[in-house]
Amino acid sequence: GENVEQHPSTLSVQEGDSAVIKCTYSDSASNYFPWYKQELGKRPQLIIDIRSNVGEKKDQRIAVTLNKTAKHFSLHITETQPEDSAVYFCAVNNAGNMLTFGGGTRLMVKP
Amino acid sequence: EAQVTQNPRYLITVTGKKLTVTCSQNMNHEYMSWYRQDPGLGLRQIYYSMNVEVTDKGDVPEGYKVSRKEKRNFPLILESPSPNQTSLYFCASTDRGPTDTQYFGPGTRLTVL
Repeated sequence: GENVEQHPSTLSVQEGDSAVIKCTYSDSASNYFPWYKQELGKRPQLIIDIRSNVGEKKDQRIAVTLNKTAKHFSLHITETQPEDSAVYFCAVNNAGNMLTFGGGTRLMVKP
Repeated sequence: EAQVTQNPRYLITVTGKKLTVTCSQNMNHEYMSWYRQDPGLGLRQIYYSMNVEVTDKGDVPEGYKVSRKEKRNFPLILESPSPNQTSLYFCASTDRGPTDTQYFGPGTRLTVL
């Protein structure tokens, strides 16, 4: 099945700095790459996604880049704020109608 | 209000005692799934359903059963729970399939003693 690796597992940044989280995947047929944010004690929520027909997508301070050749995609958060502190998960679809998630990255933004 | 609901939110039980976690959505979504969340392992898909009466195994189906008799409901059944099923469980639904936005329920924290 699909194998999704997410790095780093924890990331600590100073408020105002940028944060980058990277995911690699194994199935070259995958074509949907979402990112979910999970605040402490809450349910995961979609923050941004990208499909394989584009290389980059941006929404205010967050962006996702996709390199299909290398089979990796990244989440970029600029001008980080304390409310960005959460666990972030990448995910990848596969041909079997499933969504496989990465192991998660705990982002801590220090004021 | 569009939502996914799960019950119970917290459950402590003993090994071998059958239990059911209910999941319901009011968005007329076709695709529903169950995940378990464990530290460092992310969210792992247990079962999913593309529509009524259609269910398929995910990555970690052992020890679980599901049913989809109605479009809105997708219960998760543990016939004989074991301690390794202690976890945080999320139900989720999407409009049509895994490439649509997943709407998660609030989660059920299960402890099996």
